[in-house]
Amino acid sequence: GESVGLHLPTLSVQEGDNSIINCAYSNSASDYFIWYKQESGKGPQFIIDIRSNMDKRQGQRVTVLLNKTVKHLSLQIAATQPGDSAVYFCAENTGGAQKLVFGQGTRLTINP
Amino acid sequence: GAGVSQSPSNKVTEKGKDVELRCDPISGHTALYWYRQSLGQGLEFLIYFQGNSAPDKSGLPSDRFSAERTGGSVSTLTIQRTQQEDSAVYLCASSLAQGRYGYTFGSGTRLTVV
Repeated sequence: GESVGLHLPTLSVQEGDNSIINCAYSNSASDYFIWYKQESGKGPQFIIDIRSNMDKRQGQRVTVLLNKTVKHLSLQIAATQPGDSAVYFCAENTGGAQKLVFGQGTRLTINP
Repeated sequence: GAGVSQSPSNKVTEKGKDVELRCDPISGHTALYWYRQSLGQGLEFLIYFQGNSAPDKSGLPSDRFSAERTGGSVSTLTIQRTQQEDSAVYLCASSLAQGRYGYTFGSGTRLTVV
């Protein structure tokens, strides 16, 4: 399928290396955050979430870090694989708000 | 169904024509969202439905855009008098509750206005 986000920030890493994708969020009142992965031609897929009462959460090969002081969110992917190539979006939600607000996205490319 | 289903997957239309995009959410999901994703852009919120409450239409870019959700399930996004700038991928998502538990997205409808 066609790729989306041709003008997105990009990150290239070697297969097997760790990658870190960063996101700055805008609303200091946001209390719930999610990372999504979007492969070409598909809708975004949930990866991991974190609430504002935590600063770190781990999943399978992924870790999300939250720094509320500087309103920064990061996604760490360990031992990247070719299947990790995708566009990654962070999203934030403010308590009581009805919708998620998405960041611009980062394209991750895994080099063999 | 097992996931969020959107149809058609691709739609090419002539400028000025009306189009309807359909979304079948996951059974039991009370919240349904439409987003638009233009090339090189992130996800732009369009409209949100929650149960029987009045929809949040705050993201609709013009009065040419409208959406409805019948019976709390299927939703249709309608774009009247399409313009070239409407070309984008239109994504539908559903969730168990409003915004708090992450959405499940469909694969989207790629709309091309020529």
